[in-house]
Amino acid sequence: AQSVTQLGSHVSVSEGALVLLRCNYSSSVPPYLFWYVQYPNQGLQLLLKYTSAATLVKGINGFEAEFKKSETSFHLTKPSAHMSDAAEYFCAVTSASGGSYIPTFGRGTSLIVHP
Amino acid sequence: KAGVTQTPRYLIKTRGQQVTLSCSPISGHRSVSWYQQTPGQGLQFLFEYFSETQRNKGNFPGRFSGRQFSNSRSEMNVSTLELGDSALYLCASSLALAGGSEQFFGPGTRLTVL
Repeated sequence: AQSVTQLGSHVSVSEGALVLLRCNYSSSVPPYLFWYVQYPNQGLQLLLKYTSAATLVKGINGFEAEFKKSETSFHLTKPSAHMSDAAEYFCAVTSASGGSYIPTFGRGTSLIVHP
Repeated sequence: KAGVTQTPRYLIKTRGQQVTLSCSPISGHRSVSWYQQTPGQGLQFLFEYFSETQRNKGNFPGRFSGRQFSNSRSEMNVSTLELGDSALYLCASSLALAGGSEQFFGPGTRLTVL
């Protein structure tokens, strides 16, 4: 079964600092990869999706992620954090398992942005 | 275009009861997936319906069931509720099957089992 590991349940940064949220997955088959964001009392919203067209994927709100097959990683970055980026971030992976494509989500990383 | 709507937003039930949650997908979306979100387990996939057929199923007991109607609206039913069923239940819709598609999530139904 595939699994997704998000290192660090909480990440704290200062406003203007680099944001780095880590995601590693276990899958022997080239996967679909996603990053979602969840604001309080809301559902999840897609930030970006890896489609195999390019290893560096640009998303909304200045976020981007790099797919590294050799490291089975898909870390999310943003050069400069804003207060509005404070939210819960989820990495998700889908790979074929017995013919089914079931998304598997990581436990989430809470991003805290200090002024 | 209206987003994914879920009703009710909050629900309180007692052990042994059953509950039905409703989800209306974005217009034109044929896939509806359900997830259970808890602090301990995170987001766990329950099942996915596409064109009224269950296409994928997660690892949940048979007490959890669902269906999809011809207008793509979906319902999820949990019978014989247990305390551990307390969670936020999220519904997500997508144009195609969820595995490779962007999913649009509703705000969720917060279920509390006493």
